Amino acid sequence: QITMKESGATLIKPTETLTLTCTFSGFSLSSSGMGVGWIRQPPGRALEWLALIYWDDDNRYRPSLRSRLSLTKDTSKSQVVLRLTKMDPADTGTYYCAHAVSGYEFFDYWGQGAPVTVSS
Amino acid sequence: DIQMTQSPSSLSASVGDRVVITCRASQGISSFLNWYQKKEGKAPTLLIHSASTLQGGVPSRFRGSGSGTDFTLTIDSLQPEDFATYYCQQSYSNIWTFGHGTKVDI
Repeated sequence: QITMKESGATLIKPTETLTLTCTFSGFSLSSSGMGVGWIRQPPGRALEWLALIYWDDDNRYRPSLRSRLSLTKDTSKSQVVLRLTKMDPADTGTYYCAHAVSGYEFFDYWGQGAPVTVSS
Repeated sequence: DIQMTQSPSSLSASVGDRVVITCRASQGISSFLNWYQKKEGKAPTLLIHSASTLQGGVPSRFRGSGSGTDFTLTIDSLQPEDFATYYCQQSYSNIWTFGHGTKVDI
């Protein structure tokens, strides 16, 4: 069974860097086809796709955040780390990580979400 | 980027109603279209993938159809637990995008 869980800071000051960790189980990110994505939802607004990393280091980023966003994977720890620099109050929201499989192209297992507030 | 337009943005319905939500892509996306249900305070759940394939464990009253640019999610005989917000999402391009959501309430 696949499980996903987000962890990291919940309160960030403007201009700081957000670091969130997705820890997963039930699959290996070194296995062909496996991927982990990040999605966020600002308060009262729609879901936003942020980024996706596949087993082969194929990284994809939301164009508007490309200069601020990075994903790294640690297959030995079954973790994917999201870093978002220069945080702004507009980045406030709940951040989710989710499992994906190349070739199937959907998010089938999601974490519970990590609330992030950007405020001074 | 491929833009996804959902309609309506919200609707009111009653238990037992049939509900139809549409999603239009700004360019053809074949069948790379997925539907999610989102309840307040909960993570989204996958309902339908590849436009019309029901995800395991999802009730059969949920149906998806369409290809190319126009897609629909139909809920037959709405149940109390179906009151939620529904999102379409395309995965045709390397940059995935969600629609803006359709809130289904009483």
